[in-house]
Amino acid sequence: DTEVTQTPKHLVMGMTNKKSLKCEQHMGHRAMYWYKQKAKKPPELMFVYSYEKLSINESVPSRFSPECPNSSLLNLHLHALQPEDSALYLCASSQIPGTDSYEQYFGPGTRLTVT
Amino acid sequence: KQEVTQIPAALSVPEGENLVLNCSFTDSAIYNLQWFRQDPGKGLTSLLLIQSSQREQTSGRLNASLDKSSGRSTLYIAASQPGDSATYLCAVRRYSMLTFGGGTRLMVKP
Repeated sequence: DTEVTQTPKHLVMGMTNKKSLKCEQHMGHRAMYWYKQKAKKPPELMFVYSYEKLSINESVPSRFSPECPNSSLLNLHLHALQPEDSALYLCASSQIPGTDSYEQYFGPGTRLTVT
Repeated sequence: KQEVTQIPAALSVPEGENLVLNCSFTDSAIYNLQWFRQDPGKGLTSLLLIQSSQREQTSGRLNASLDKSSGRSTLYIAASQPGDSATYLCAVRRYSMLTFGGGTRLMVKP
């Protein structure tokens, strides 16, 4: 099983709402990632978790709050977002980096619209 | 800071043509390079991964090469089909960081 699943597929939220994005993998990967992708742009890294601990935060605003409750799950909590935060949010997972052959597996994404 | 560039940005070809997509990167100290395919509004599908010690990888009609010293990779697609229409992204890895190119939007016309 090389699948990364993400829920929901689509999310529309107001600027005062609180919502969460979920990501799950059962490949035994111990590194998980959140990316943000705007239309016709490449994905941009937001957060990296290694062994359920936050290892990289790419200067993401605090209205995005990641959480890794266990080795299979990754959440992204959203609060007080702005319309410019509307994007495709991608989750990925991989083995812990340390070998040339490690690759990242991506989920289908959550299309977020902030109104 | 690593910069990854993909040329061309868009490409339209008739079905059956062989084609080459280009990827260049500024810092040759990479661990590996991955080619992805992305359909509109969808996630990324990994096509090929080339380790830093390798020169090329093949999967079906796809062949990817890597020249780390010159900072270049190419993705060769043989006998293109309309189903190949998508955006193709290359990404280079150092530590846990993937740096993506801007992508090539490919349209294969029947």
